[in-house]
Amino acid sequence: AQSVAQPEDQVNVAEGNPLTVKCTYSVSGNPYLFWYVQYPNRGLQFLLKYITGDNLVKGSYGFEAEFNKSQTSFHLKKPSALVSDSALYFCAVRDPLYGGATNKLIFGTGTLLAVQP
Amino acid sequence: EAQVTQNPRYLITVTGKKLTVTCSQNMNHEYMSWYRQDPGLGLRQIYYSMNVEVTDKGDVPEGYKVSRKEKRNFPLILESPSPNQTSLYFCASSLDPGPGLHEQYFGPGTRLTVT
Repeated sequence: AQSVAQPEDQVNVAEGNPLTVKCTYSVSGNPYLFWYVQYPNRGLQFLLKYITGDNLVKGSYGFEAEFNKSQTSFHLKKPSALVSDSALYFCAVRDPLYGGATNKLIFGTGTLLAVQP
Repeated sequence: EAQVTQNPRYLITVTGKKLTVTCSQNMNHEYMSWYRQDPGLGLRQIYYSMNVEVTDKGDVPEGYKVSRKEKRNFPLILESPSPNQTSLYFCASSLDPGPGLHEQYFGPGTRLTVT
């Protein structure tokens, strides 16, 4: 079955330190992978995606993510965290072999990132 | 400005009183979708639409209806709301109805409480 796991409910990091938010997935085919961020009282905003090509993808606000097929992971990273990065982060996967031609995303449960000053 | 709008943003209602949450996008997107967000469960898809007059069930469609009479609008209808439909609802749209190469754009959310 298609699924996405975000094993950490919360990640705490000091401002200026590198951050990692973890995501693993399970799909039948080659996945399309996405990261979204949700700030308080706001909708989800797209950060970055992996469709094909280079395993390291760069996105908005200095975030990047690495696609690792052997480990079925797509961890979100940033070299130096900012207090303003504090938000809820969602990993999502699209399995082209599932759901027919529909643009169906499977979301993880979310990871709350807290960056301390 | 390209955006997805939802109304109302907050709604408190009573069991059984029909309600509609509106969703509109100004990006000429073909694909639109409704999700509900619940703590510990992430986002779950309620219904989606691949184009005008084309709608289908998502993972949790029970108790909901949708319509897509115009490309820009995709209202969510709760004919007889129940307390278990208390949740945060998001509308989203995307350029392509499939296979999902393009990201989805989300509205600001509607927080619904059913008493």
